[in-house]
Amino acid sequence: EDQVTQSPEALRLQEGESSSLNCSYTVSGLRGLFWYRQDPGKGPEFLFTLYSAGEEKEKERLKATLTKKESFLHITAPKPEDSATYLCAVPYSSASKIIFGSGTRLSIRP
Amino acid sequence: DSGVTQTPKHLITATGQRVTLRCSPRSGDLSVYWYQQSLDQGLQFLIQYYNGEERAKGNILERFSAQQFPDLHSELNLSSLELGDSALYFCASSPDGTYKAGYTFGSGTRLTVV
Repeated sequence: EDQVTQSPEALRLQEGESSSLNCSYTVSGLRGLFWYRQDPGKGPEFLFTLYSAGEEKEKERLKATLTKKESFLHITAPKPEDSATYLCAVPYSSASKIIFGSGTRLSIRP
Repeated sequence: DSGVTQTPKHLITATGQRVTLRCSPRSGDLSVYWYQQSLDQGLQFLIQYYNGEERAKGNILERFSAQQFPDLHSELNLSSLELGDSALYFCASSPDGTYKAGYTFGSGTRLTVV
């Protein structure tokens, strides 16, 4: 069964304290992995697409990496404005739609 | 502003009632996706339309239906509402009906069934 699991569920960091969020997946023939950011009461905002193991993408303080079984979203020297829920998603094995993980709620204290 | 417009932003209705949620995709996008987000279920895919035709179906209840009109806007109809239908309903759009460029999400409609 296609599945996406994110950990931890919640993460509280001090401003400037770097960390990583994890997304593990079980799909047949990965055709891409996506990271989104969601602020409270708003729709998810697209961040990155990764297509193959070893690929990396960066945006400001965020860097996403991909292996054959999981992806990491590294956050370097985070600021309070990085507080949000981060979602990862993968396409279903047999269809064109994507399945989302339950997200990691990230909170950055000043 | 993502370019995907959803109305209304909030909706409060009673059990057993029927409501219609509306979505206008980003200009130039042909495909619309509907997702339901509740606290215990996360983002659940409901249905996808591409240029007026149903493309894919997810965990959409029989009480729910959707359509995409010639001007590409979409409506999600929810009927015989139950308390458990209370959730955020998101619409997303993509240019070509695939996930490759990522989806653009609207701000959602918060449905409360009382």
